[in-house]
Amino acid sequence: NAGVTQTPKFQVLKTGQSMTLQCAQDMNHEYMSWYRQDPGMGLRLIHYSVGAGITDQGEVPNGYNVSRSTTEDFPLRLLSAAPSQTSVYFCASSRTSGNNEQFFGPGTRLTVL
Amino acid sequence: GEDVEQSLFLSVREGDSSVINCTYTDSSSTYLYWYKQEPGAGLQLLTYIFSNMDMKQDQRLTVLLNKKDKHLSLRIADTQTGDSAIYFCAESISDRGGGADGLTFGKGTHLIIQP
Repeated sequence: NAGVTQTPKFQVLKTGQSMTLQCAQDMNHEYMSWYRQDPGMGLRLIHYSVGAGITDQGEVPNGYNVSRSTTEDFPLRLLSAAPSQTSVYFCASSRTSGNNEQFFGPGTRLTVL
Repeated sequence: GEDVEQSLFLSVREGDSSVINCTYTDSSSTYLYWYKQEPGAGLQLLTYIFSNMDMKQDQRLTVLLNKKDKHLSLRIADTQTGDSAIYFCAESISDRGGGADGLTFGKGTHLIIQP
């Protein structure tokens, strides 16, 4: 299993540009989440999904959209990037039951100029 | 509300024990976790404890949970240079499997190992 994969690893955008951060998992996990990590802030939940076709907002959803058309994929869209969205983005997935371990991807480092 | 607090830095000598502390505010937490993040990498689950337990040991790692004081600690015995990383405490208040509505993380403790 590849686990949780994220692309790209690095991205530089100009203010106002749009882009999609990709996340995929091959563990047949129902639950997937997006977090952003900022210095001194820990990780904050952006959006999450409990299964295909179902998404919900986390702590900091503004400026981001998600969709979950398949179990495997959970892309995160920035419609109009802002410098405040400069961060490291982590995707995570977990099973439907048990100890709730979330498996994290390697992260995408995004800079918005 | 949910809030998880950790000190930002801990410095220990190689071979000593490291104790990383965490406090949380939500008494309905179901699971509490310790994650490790090495430079430039994602988060790796080290261990977790269910809220009805007060201690869990796994090789060099010991987790202690004091529910009354809402205090969680991670002890790393015989600390090695490879233990140098950021350690995050996290809680889940979801009673649904998988922590579906996400985890609440502390800001992370940088563990610095002195030779």
